[in-house]
Amino acid sequence: EAGVAQSPRYKIIEKRQSVAFWCNPISGHATLYWYQQILGQGPKLLIQFQNNGVVDDSQLPKDRFSAERLKGVDSTLKIQPAKLEDSAVYLCASSLVPRGAGELFFGEGSRLTVL
Amino acid sequence: GENVEQHPSTLSVQEGDSAVIKCTYSDSASNYFPWYKQELGKRPQLIIDIRSNVGEKKDQRIAVTLNKTAKHFSLHITETQPEDSAVYFCAAKGLNYGGSQGNLIFGKGTKLSVKP
Repeated sequence: EAGVAQSPRYKIIEKRQSVAFWCNPISGHATLYWYQQILGQGPKLLIQFQNNGVVDDSQLPKDRFSAERLKGVDSTLKIQPAKLEDSAVYLCASSLVPRGAGELFFGEGSRLTVL
Repeated sequence: GENVEQHPSTLSVQEGDSAVIKCTYSDSASNYFPWYKQELGKRPQLIIDIRSNVGEKKDQRIAVTLNKTAKHFSLHITETQPEDSAVYFCAAKGLNYGGSQGNLIFGKGTKLSVKP
């Protein structure tokens, strides 16, 4: 079974530039999450999708972050403009059970460095 | 909303010894408590989870205990091996965080080092 795919694995940008991350979840998983993991901390939920609808985006900094999940499969997370504090690993995860009530399958992550 | 505290932040043990990691949570309505293992540069992976209707769960060398009254849960690893070295994250599914039905809140992680 293929896992959660993410790209790019690494990205270095200057502050105020924009960046986009892509995620392809496990086939059949209706629930997709984007987490931000700052070095030395646990993952922090940014946004959760159920199919192509947003279920929870209460922790998403909406002035600079946006995410979409077209057709209920792939998802993209965009940051524009980036700030220094956005340097982190962005983890995409998918699950069969919504609301974090079952196993989350994480991708390898996209490591962002903002200079 | 839910808050999850995890201790210790680092833990070093000799191979063969036991390791215990503890977490406390704030939302008494939380009902699901998973543990994830993250090896260096790798993705987090679920190793064990427990729901609020049981007090203990075991899977070979790992076990999790839950004390709902005290609002804490612990991960126990027995007969540790070098391959157990990783960062371990606890999490709690808070019902009163992130809108209706809540979502998973992770602790800050414990870096476990098992010395041969």
